[in-house]
Amino acid sequence: EAGVTQSPTHLIKTRGQQATLRCSPISGHTSVYWYQQALGLGLQFLLWYDEGEERNRGNFPPRFSGRQFPNYSSELNVNALELEDSALYLCASSSGTDYQPQHFGDGTRLSIL
Amino acid sequence: QKEVEKDPGPLSVPEGAIVSLNCTYSNSAFQYFMWYRQYSRKGPELLMYTYSSGNKEDGRFTAQVDKSSKYISLFIRDSQPSDSATYLCAMRFDYKLSFGAGTTVTVRA
Repeated sequence: EAGVTQSPTHLIKTRGQQATLRCSPISGHTSVYWYQQALGLGLQFLLWYDEGEERNRGNFPPRFSGRQFPNYSSELNVNALELEDSALYLCASSSGTDYQPQHFGDGTRLSIL
Repeated sequence: QKEVEKDPGPLSVPEGAIVSLNCTYSNSAFQYFMWYRQYSRKGPELLMYTYSSGNKEDGRFTAQVDKSSKYISLFIRDSQPSDSATYLCAMRFDYKLSFGAGTTVTVRA
């Protein structure tokens, strides 16, 4: 069974640009979660999508947004990039049933120059 | 106060030793408790997933949950160099996972 896949592996941008990160969940999983893992800050919850709808978001500004497609894949968009957005962005998926564990992809490393 | 605190690290142990990792938490609403292992340049990999207080074993790994003390532990028996990684505790209430900061473990051959 294929795991959660994320692309690209590494993305280099400059301040003010926009970044788009992509995630394909495990087959059969309908929920997708996005996390930011910045140095020294641990994993911080960004967004949760389920059945195509945004269900909740963490304490991040509106320039972090995303969507979930009918095939349950997801994309995270970060607008007006700032230096402190440099981090590993992790996507996780879980099945829609209650309290199933989240399984993570290997992330996209976003570097802002 | 952070929701999840982990014992100070990093840890360096000789091969074959028992590794002991701990996290405490403040939110009594947490219902599910997890340990993830993260190798360098990889995403977190689910190791253990528990709900109730008590012990859960899986091979060389034992997860322990004490809800009354708000304390969880992970023990790795007969540690191997391949166990060298960062270990993250995570706790779940509703949809949200709250993570500890992670402890880097090095097992010396």
